Amino acid sequence: EIVLTQSPGTLSLSPGERATLSCRASQSLSSSYSAWYQQKPGQAPRLLIYATSGKPTGIPDRFSGSGSGTEFTLTISRLEPEDFAVYYCQQYDNSPVFGGGTKVEIK
Amino acid sequence: EVQLVQSGAELKKPGESLKISCKAFGSRFTMNWIGWVRQVPGKGLEWIGIIYPGDSDTRYSPSFQGQVTMSADKSISTAYLQWSSLKASDTAMYYCATSYETSGFYAFDFWGQGTMVTVSS
Repeated sequence: EIVLTQSPGTLSLSPGERATLSCRASQSLSSSYSAWYQQKPGQAPRLLIYATSGKPTGIPDRFSGSGSGTEFTLTISRLEPEDFAVYYCQQYDNSPVFGGGTKVEIK
Repeated sequence: EVQLVQSGAELKKPGESLKISCKAFGSRFTMNWIGWVRQVPGKGLEWIGIIYPGDSDTRYSPSFQGQVTMSADKSISTAYLQWSSLKASDTAMYYCATSYETSGFYAFDFWGQGTMVTVSS
C-alpha cells in the first residue's frame, strides 16, 4: 500500500502570504489520481484539486496544484482568512489513500 | 445539485452490529463511485474503500478489509457501511462521498454530512 507523507505538519502564516504544501508518495503514481482536500473544523472535506492541477467548479484561482511521479504540491497564492484549515493530499492505488494532513494556521 | 444525506448518529455497545446509510439525490448513482471515509475525533482522514453501484465492484483499503462491508441498493440510490461486531476503536465520524463531475479521477467532489458512531459499554 502506498504511503503519502505531507510536509510540513503545521504551517504558520499570515493572511496575504503564500502557502506551499508538499505531498510525497512512497512510489511513483499517476498524476491523474492526485487530489487535494480542505477540511475545516466540524465540516466535511472539500475537494480543491483533482488530476494534479484540475479544479472543480467554484474553487478560487488562488489554489493551484502541480507535481508528478512521487512529489505533488498545493499552492495557495495569497492566504485569505477562510483558508486557515487542514489540507489532505490523496492518491489512488486500487483504493484511495490520504496523507496525514497539513494544518495551515494563523501566525 | 448532487446531495448525499447520511443516517443519524449512533450509540452502540461493543459486539453489536450496525449499518449506516448514505442516500444520493441528483446524481447518476449507478455511474459514479461512492466512497467511505473514517475520521477518529481529533485525527486525520482515512479511506475505508469505494464501491461502484453499477456493478457492486468494491475496493477496500487494506487496513479495513474484513473489518467492514460496503454495499449499495441501486433501486433507492443508497450506499451502506456495516459492521458485524463493533469495537470501541470504531468510534469515529464516518463520511460518504461521491465522484461526480470528477468521475474517472477517483477524486470525490460531493460529500455527506457525516455519521457519528460511538461505541461504548
